[in-house]
Amino acid sequence: DIQMTQSPSTLSASVGDRVTITCRASQSINSWLAWYQQKPGKAPKLLIYEASILQSGVPSRFSGSGSGTEFTLTISSLQPDDFATYYCQQYNSYSPTFGQGTKVEIK
Amino acid sequence: QVQLVESGGGVVQPGTSLRLSCAASGFIFRSYGMHWVRQAPGKGLEWVALIPYDGTNKYYADSVKGRFTISRDNSENTLYLQMNSLRAEDTAVYFCAKDSILAAQSPHYFDSWGQGTLVTVSS
Repeated sequence: DIQMTQSPSTLSASVGDRVTITCRASQSINSWLAWYQQKPGKAPKLLIYEASILQSGVPSRFSGSGSGTEFTLTISSLQPDDFATYYCQQYNSYSPTFGQGTKVEIK
Repeated sequence: QVQLVESGGGVVQPGTSLRLSCAASGFIFRSYGMHWVRQAPGKGLEWVALIPYDGTNKYYADSVKGRFTISRDNSENTLYLQMNSLRAEDTAVYFCAKDSILAAQSPHYFDSWGQGTLVTVSS
């Protein structure tokens, strides 16, 4: 299986901060990467797919970049609603895998 | 709007079986692959299984292969997960999720999720 590694595992930030989360794949996945946001007790919500395409309805402060094995999710100006856990997911293989998650906490 | 509603979770003993259901509405169910994804308490997300739109070529995570069976009834717009020989490590919230690509035979990203149903395996 393709292993996905996110960093950091936890991130403390303030409202208005620029936040970057990294996701690395154990082998090239081209641009077949998605990002999700999950709040406690809720289902994940799709933010970005194909590494950089913003899902309809997702605020433009979210952006994604990368290809091959290294990817980033950036929140340009953190808002109160953005405190959550973020997961990357590869879909380059018949066994999709997720990163372990990055929890964005209030500083 | 897309709606996915899981049911069938509960507390069961190790070695027993359980069947989960996911009722779908708001989209052409028979045209999309469907997945089960699980999340152990306090842990991350783990993909479990995929069934393509036409019910062929099912795919499973190694952790459940041979024990779990995914199926679908396109006439009832319902997805199922039959879980046999349950283990403590199968304890999780189970989400059904819609694949994003029309009529695809392989997995992609998940553009809609249900609210999840909790399965607890404990003696």
